[in-house]
Amino acid sequence: EVQLVESGGGLVQPGGSLRLSCAASGFTFSRSWMSWVRQAPGKGLEWVANIKQDGSASSYVDSVKGRFTISRDNAKNSLFLQMNSLRAEDTAVYYCAGEAGTYHGFDYWGQGILVTVSS
Amino acid sequence: QSALTQPPSASGSPGQSVTISCTGTSSDVGGYNYVSWYQQHPGKAPKLMIFQVSKRPSGVPDRFSGSKSGNTASLTVSGLQAEDEADYYCSSFAGSRNWVFGGGTKLTVL
Repeated sequence: EVQLVESGGGLVQPGGSLRLSCAASGFTFSRSWMSWVRQAPGKGLEWVANIKQDGSASSYVDSVKGRFTISRDNAKNSLFLQMNSLRAEDTAVYYCAGEAGTYHGFDYWGQGILVTVSS
Repeated sequence: QSALTQPPSASGSPGQSVTISCTGTSSDVGGYNYVSWYQQHPGKAPKLMIFQVSKRPSGVPDRFSGSKSGNTASLTVSGLQAEDEADYYCSSFAGSRNWVFGGGTKLTVL
């Protein structure tokens, strides 16, 4: 059974930092592109960032470029999102998501973790 | 990186068919056959229903089908059932390994 379990969320002040983690199991993590997708309260889904299987390439949505960094540790089947200079508009449930095949879209999803940016 | 356009709501009676549209540009929907659709029930994670325009993952009922014409993709749900009531999101590859989602459509089964 595929499992993605996010951790590290919580309340942070504007300008602060937070590091999200995602533990993967049940599929070959090292063969999958992995992404973070977020959903602001009552809003739609927004793709945030992704990273290639070996970690050699990554992409970001414009609104987080220069502030967020995605990384992975294939030895530990783990995905990370380092979030700096957080803003109120970054408040959302953050999902870890994975692609089972090339350009499949997001086959695997975690349960999500809430990040709240507020003073 | 503009969001794809979906109608905010759609509805149908049990047994009927409903189609949800997803309009993008030649830089995303129209440029690639990499459109996917997701179903999200309240408080739950999204679930992949269609990938690469018209392919169904294992376990997804064949009542769900996808298509594309030009810059617009569509999801059709046939033989509507009560459990199909949910939010539906389209997504498209947008080049340079970027992805973009639609704003979502709330499907109501009357």
